[in-house]
Amino acid sequence: QQPVQSPQAVILREGEDAVINCSSSKALYSVHWYRQKHGEAPVFLMILLKGGEQKGHEKISASFNEKKQQSSLYLTASQLSYSGTYFCGPGHNNNDMRFGAGTRLTVKP
Amino acid sequence: KAGVTQTPRYLIKTRGQQVTLSCSPISGHRSVSWYQQTPGQGLQFLFEYFSETQRNKGNFPGRFSGRQFSNSRSEMNVSTLELGDSALYLCASSLALQGADTEAFFGQGTRLTVV
Repeated sequence: QQPVQSPQAVILREGEDAVINCSSSKALYSVHWYRQKHGEAPVFLMILLKGGEQKGHEKISASFNEKKQQSSLYLTASQLSYSGTYFCGPGHNNNDMRFGAGTRLTVKP
Repeated sequence: KAGVTQTPRYLIKTRGQQVTLSCSPISGHRSVSWYQQTPGQGLQFLFEYFSETQRNKGNFPGRFSGRQFSNSRSEMNVSTLELGDSALYLCASSLALQGADTEAFFGQGTRLTVV
């Protein structure tokens, strides 16, 4: 079952902040976040694991509430390069990775 | 190191035909997952292969099938193509099973158009 992402789309000005939420109806082992720019392949952002461990390549912060089965991605002081579609993918015990429908983020000058 | 390679990049097929798409994962990666992407539908999970075995399958009809070879390369086959199968098909490779604590690397995808 796919996780639910919100909002579906958001438009920002450079320097503004945004929060993207992801919730699952199933117990989560981890949450994965990816960003896909127009015409490109999705690229890994970070993994959040139970217990608070995080693995990521970018200076993007996120939270993972295991009890509520929710995760949030925090984009602060947004830059033009943040534009793209963000996908969350919940990791379950059966290792079944099904992504959410995505959140389209547009950052304008 | 080389990334995930998908071939062909573009394909046009006629309704009723079948098609085979190929994915070469990053060297050393044993998991290959396939996704269908259409506008507004996000990434729809098709299936995942690990060490030549299908480990997970999404909610797609039996016309969609796949396999993985001993060198971890994977193929996806769609038989009796329908117009609704037009989409970008992405494959992702990772060291371990997806859903664990490893990142996935996506290929550029194969754009399939069914006419």
